[in-house]
Amino acid sequence: EAGVAQSPRYKIIEKRQSVAFWCNPISGHATLYWYQQILGQGPKLLIQFQNNGVVDDSQLPKDRFSAERLKGVDSTLKIQPAKLEDSAVYLCASREGGLYTEAFFGQGTRLTVV
Amino acid sequence: GNSVTQMEGPVTLSEEAFLTINCTYTATGYPSLFWYVQYPGEGLQLLLKATKADDKGSNKGFEATYRKETTSFHLEKGSVQVSDSAVYFCALSTYTGNQFYFGTGTSLTVIP
Repeated sequence: EAGVAQSPRYKIIEKRQSVAFWCNPISGHATLYWYQQILGQGPKLLIQFQNNGVVDDSQLPKDRFSAERLKGVDSTLKIQPAKLEDSAVYLCASREGGLYTEAFFGQGTRLTVV
Repeated sequence: GNSVTQMEGPVTLSEEAFLTINCTYTATGYPSLFWYVQYPGEGLQLLLKATKADDKGSNKGFEATYRKETTSFHLEKGSVQVSDSAVYFCALSTYTGNQFYFGTGTSLTVIP
């Protein structure tokens, strides 16, 4: 079965510019997560979708970050305007069911803000 | 609240040495527990999981036992290989909210 697809793999932008990341989860997976992973740290949840509804966005910096999940499938995460501290790997993950199932991760997008 | 605490790295071992990476957790209710591995330049991959107390997850020679009494899920391998060099993340998932909580990761380097 196809895995979680993310694009682009790498992105370099200047501060105050905008950027968007795309994620295509595994078919049939209702739950989709976006995580931010800063070098040397564990993944930090930014937003969680259940189908096309937001379950948790408590750690999403809403003044600059936004995310949507179209028709409960693909998702995009946008940053506008970017700051230097946004440099990180952005991971998308999807999950079929609940407590006993694992999340499947994409390869991530490495963002560098200069 | 829910959280995961992992032993800090980095860890450097010689090939064929015994590996233990400690993980303890705090959770409301009864979580499922996971170990994920991240190889250089790649996303996280599931290594093993356990869904209830006293369950043992195992894969590729790695093992971890869900210990409810000590709220721990330590990762072990009897004989590490160079190819095991990676970052290892302990994680838990709770019934409420269907969320994952990750530890900070432990970097392992195995030298020949």
